[in-house]
Amino acid sequence: EVLLVESGGGLAQPGGSLRLSCTASGFSFSLYWMHWVRQAPGKGLEWVSRIKEGGSDISYAESVKGRFIISRDNAKNTLYLQMNSLRVDDTGIYYCVNAPTWMWGQGTQVTVSS
Amino acid sequence: DVQMTQSPSSLSASVGDRVTITCRASQNIREYLNWYQQKPGKAPKVVIYGASNLQSGVPSRFSGSGYGTDFALTISSLQPDDFATYFCQQIYTPPCTFGQGTTVEIK
Repeated sequence: EVLLVESGGGLAQPGGSLRLSCTASGFSFSLYWMHWVRQAPGKGLEWVSRIKEGGSDISYAESVKGRFIISRDNAKNTLYLQMNSLRVDDTGIYYCVNAPTWMWGQGTQVTVSS
Repeated sequence: DVQMTQSPSSLSASVGDRVTITCRASQNIREYLNWYQQKPGKAPKVVIYGASNLQSGVPSRFSGSGYGTDFALTISSLQPDDFATYFCQQIYTPPCTFGQGTTVEIK
């Protein structure tokens, strides 16, 4: 069974940092692209970033470019999102998504507030 | 960036109704289009991938169609479990943009 478990969310101040993790099991993590998607309270879905199997191809949404860094450790079956210079509008639930199965984790809540 | 225009934003329907949600891409995305269902407080789950492929375990009353710029998700006979919000997403090129969502409510 494909399982994705996000962690690392919490409360951060504007300008602060958080690092999210997504631990994968039930599939060959190193063979799949991985994505981060977020959802602000009461809003729609916003794609954040993606990373290729070996980490050589990375893309970001314009809204996070230069502030967020996606990475992965295939030996640990773990995906990361380093979030720096956080803003209030980064608040939301962050999901990791496996491609091409398009399975989602349960999400981790990030709140940016002073 | 590819803009995804989804319509309607909401609809009211009865159990047994046939429901169609559409998604239009601002440029050709071939068949690289997914449809997701999301219920309150839950993560989205894929119902259709690659524009027309039914995800394993999803009831056959769901179907997807389209290619290029125009796509549709159809529920042939709406069931109580189908009341939810549906999103399309293009996965042809980053940023992998989503439609605004369609909330299917009980009439």
